[in-house]
Amino acid sequence: DIQLTQSPSFLSASVGDRVTITCRASQGISSYLAWYQQKPGKAPKLLIYAASTLQSGVPSRFSGSGSGTEFTLTISSLQPEDFATYYCQQLKSYPITFGQGTRLEIK
Amino acid sequence: EVQLVESGGGLVQPGGSLRLSCAASGFTFSDHYMDWVRQAPGKGLEWVGRTRNKANSYTTEYAASVKGRFTISRDDSKSSLYLEMNSLKTEDTAVYYCTRVYIWGGYTTDLNWGQGTLVTVSS
Repeated sequence: DIQLTQSPSFLSASVGDRVTITCRASQGISSYLAWYQQKPGKAPKLLIYAASTLQSGVPSRFSGSGSGTEFTLTISSLQPEDFATYYCQQLKSYPITFGQGTRLEIK
Repeated sequence: EVQLVESGGGLVQPGGSLRLSCAASGFTFSDHYMDWVRQAPGKGLEWVGRTRNKANSYTTEYAASVKGRFTISRDDSKSSLYLEMNSLKTEDTAVYYCTRVYIWGGYTTDLNWGQGTLVTVSS
């Protein structure tokens, strides 16, 4: 199985900050990676797929990059509604796997 | 508007069975792959399994943790997805989400999610 390791697991930041979350795969997955945002008590929401393609309707302050084994999700200027948990997901091979999550909290 | 509504969750004893349903609307259900994803209380996301569409013979994939115990099926005439869960264990306790899979240029992703249904396995 392909393991995904996100770092950091917890991040404290302020409104207006630029933040980056990293997702590392245990083997190469090309660009078969997606990012999701989840708020408490809600279903996850797709932000980015194919490593860097922004899902329709997602603000442009979110961006994704990477290929192979290392990927990043960047939020260019944090807004109050961005405080949530973020997950990466690999869809290169079965079983599909998720990272353990990064909890982003207000400093 | 795409809607996915899960139902069928509840309290079940270890070793018991439960069948979850997901009613889909707002898109051509028969064209799409569908996934089940679960989330144990306070934990991260875990992919459970996938059913492909008719064009791909309705084939399925499962996580190792549920293979042989869970079965995904679908009824395209009812735009419904199902998850039959047998030999349930306490570690199957989770919110179960059904998702619509989006395929783009060879890439897949879980585009739309239901609100989830809670399954609690406890004696």
